[in-house]
Amino acid sequence: EAAVTQSPRNKVAVTGGKVTLSCNQTNNHNNMYWYRQDTGHGLRLIHYSYGAGSTEKGDIPDGYKASRPSQENFSLILELATPSQTSVYFCASGDDINSDYTFGSGTRLLVI
Amino acid sequence: AQSVTQPDARVTVSQGASLQLRCKYSYSGTPYLFWYVQYPRQGLQLLLKYYSGDPVVQGVNGFEAEFSKSNSSFHPRKASVHWSDSAVYFCAVSEGMGYKLTFGTGTSLLVDP
Repeated sequence: EAAVTQSPRNKVAVTGGKVTLSCNQTNNHNNMYWYRQDTGHGLRLIHYSYGAGSTEKGDIPDGYKASRPSQENFSLILELATPSQTSVYFCASGDDINSDYTFGSGTRLLVI
Repeated sequence: AQSVTQPDARVTVSQGASLQLRCKYSYSGTPYLFWYVQYPRQGLQLLLKYYSGDPVVQGVNGFEAEFSKSNSSFHPRKASVHWSDSAVYFCAVSEGMGYKLTFGTGTSLLVDP
């Protein structure tokens, strides 16, 4: 079954540390996305990719980097984590033929 | 730029009552519209989508929605809600197939059993 898998499911990081969130999809979708979810804001787009080797800035990219080394994998990198980046992060893949999106189960990040 | 407004942060209804959620979008072109449902501590599941054809679309769990270009709206409704419908509902818009989604702030639905 096609899926989007995020790791880790939960993460506690220290302020100033580096955090990498990983996402793997088996849907063979060209498009992949990273969102964060915060109460009162819904889901906000951080970075996205329309193919391996390319990444684009979303609506709130400051403090985040992204990497798309292959069709299947899309990582979100926090080089210097801050408490304001405490959130739930969702990865998704998008089908540019059927307009279907598959979301991962989320990563809960706590920066202390 | 595209945007979505969900004017109701919280909605409470009694089990068995009818329900309508609200979503208005802003996009100059032909929008691709979606509703997702999120149960506690889970990811997002597709409820409804529309991008062409019949403006009334059927979704899962008894939901249907009508697209209105004149009103820039895509409101889902359900004839009779169940306590298991309690969840957070998100409206989203995209400018094309599989392109980035812009989400509304969500509507938290509580169904009183």
